[in-house]
Amino acid sequence: DGGITQSPKYLFRKEGQNVTLSCEQNLNHDAMYWYRQDPGQGLRLIYYSQIVNDFQKGDIAEGYSVSREKKESFPLTVTSAQKNPTAFYLCASRKTASPNTGELFFGEGSRLTVL
Amino acid sequence: AQRVTQPEKLLSVFKGAPVELKCNYSYSGSPELFWYVQYSRQRLQLLLRHISRESIKGFTADLNKGETSFHLKKPFAQEEDSAMYYCALSRRGGKLIFGQGTELSVKP
Repeated sequence: DGGITQSPKYLFRKEGQNVTLSCEQNLNHDAMYWYRQDPGQGLRLIYYSQIVNDFQKGDIAEGYSVSREKKESFPLTVTSAQKNPTAFYLCASRKTASPNTGELFFGEGSRLTVL
Repeated sequence: AQRVTQPEKLLSVFKGAPVELKCNYSYSGSPELFWYVQYSRQRLQLLLRHISRESIKGFTADLNKGETSFHLKKPFAQEEDSAMYYCALSRRGGKLIFGQGTELSVKP
């Protein structure tokens, strides 16, 4: 059953702690993305990766870090430097990052709450 | 700066009425535009993209480069159309940015 799997679905963190959100895909897609979804602000791009071992900052990368050591995996770390980390995080993948190469497939999301 | 704007947070219509969800963009190159939809308790999914020029679930969207718009339209709304709709723009280099979203509520 192909698709994108995010874990955990719900996560609670104390202030000052780093937390890593997992994103795995078995679609053989080259490009992967992390978005943050907040009410009234839509989806904002945190980081994206066009290919293994490469990634670029999105529009709101401060306080976040990623890695892309394997094609199928693109974990996101929310660091203690992120001032407002409580949010819903969405991972997505696309066949390639080139134009006209198809749709973005999304995971079910991870809701992070900082206590 | 490249930007996607959806001016309406909430659009409420009655079943059978026409619906238009607005999307305006700013982009200096040739845009690749999409509409994504998120139904209750489901994943965000592609509804349609401008290069396809197709109608999906009765929805159409026309790219108007002069007005920099990509409005989503349906002549007769159905209750099952109630969802969150996002307009998106694919930028050079692989970035895909989204608007703020419009919640469509279709009343019986």
